[in-house]
Amino acid sequence: QVQLVESGGGLVKPGGSLRLSCAASGFTFSDYYMSWIRQAPGKGLEWVSYISSSGSTIYYADSVKGRFTISRDNAKNSLYLQMNSLRAEDTAVYYCASGVDTAMGPLYWGQGTLVTVSS
Amino acid sequence: SSELTQDPAVSVALGQTVRITCQGDSLRSYYASWYQQKPGQAPVLVIYGKNNRPSGIPDRFSGSSSGNTASLTITGAQAEDEADYYCNSRDSSGNPWVFGGGTKLTVL
Repeated sequence: QVQLVESGGGLVKPGGSLRLSCAASGFTFSDYYMSWIRQAPGKGLEWVSYISSSGSTIYYADSVKGRFTISRDNAKNSLYLQMNSLRAEDTAVYYCASGVDTAMGPLYWGQGTLVTVSS
Repeated sequence: SSELTQDPAVSVALGQTVRITCQGDSLRSYYASWYQQKPGQAPVLVIYGKNNRPSGIPDRFSGSSSGNTASLTITGAQAEDEADYYCNSRDSSGNPWVFGGGTKLTVL
C-alpha cells in the first residue's frame, strides 16, 4: 500500500537549519507531484512547497520563499525540504503529500514530522 | 494569494444531515477538494472534483458547488465523522493550492 514516511524533524534554534526527508513506497514515485504542507499547533493547514513529478516545476509559499528549498530524487523515491533561517512561526507538523492531478488536492499524505523552532 | 473562508464550527445531531461550506473567489474557476482530519492524524481526502469520492470513503459524503461557494454534505452523520474539515482549491494567483481555515464538526 502507499506509504509516505517523513523524518528529520526536531528542535532547532531560531536562525538554524533543518532538512526534512520523505520516503515514498507503494506507488510509482516518478509519476506523482510531491508537496510539503504544514500545520502549526492548533492551527489549520498551510501549503508550503510543491515540486512536479519530473522536478522541473517548483513553487513556494510566500512565507518560506528564499529560505526553504524543495527537491526530489526519483531514483531513491525520496522528497526533501531544506529549511534555512528558521523562525518561531515555522514551528509546525510538516506533512509530505502526493498526487497526480493538481486540479485536486493531494491524495496521499504521510503522518507528519514535528519541527519546533525555539531558543 | 487566494483565500477560502469556512465557518469555524458546526454541529449536527447523530443521524442528521449537515452541510459545511467554503467561500472564495477561486471557487468560481476551480472545484474544491475536502479533507477530514481527526486529532493526531493526517488529513484524509474525502471529496474532490465535481463530486468524487476516493476509494473507501462512505457515500454519505458528497460535494457540490455554486458560484463562489463549495459545500460538503454529510447525509446521516455518524459519531466517527466528528473531525476537522478543510476545503482546498487551486489558487488563482498561480500557486498550486490554497486551504480554508477549517471547520470543526461536532456530532451531538
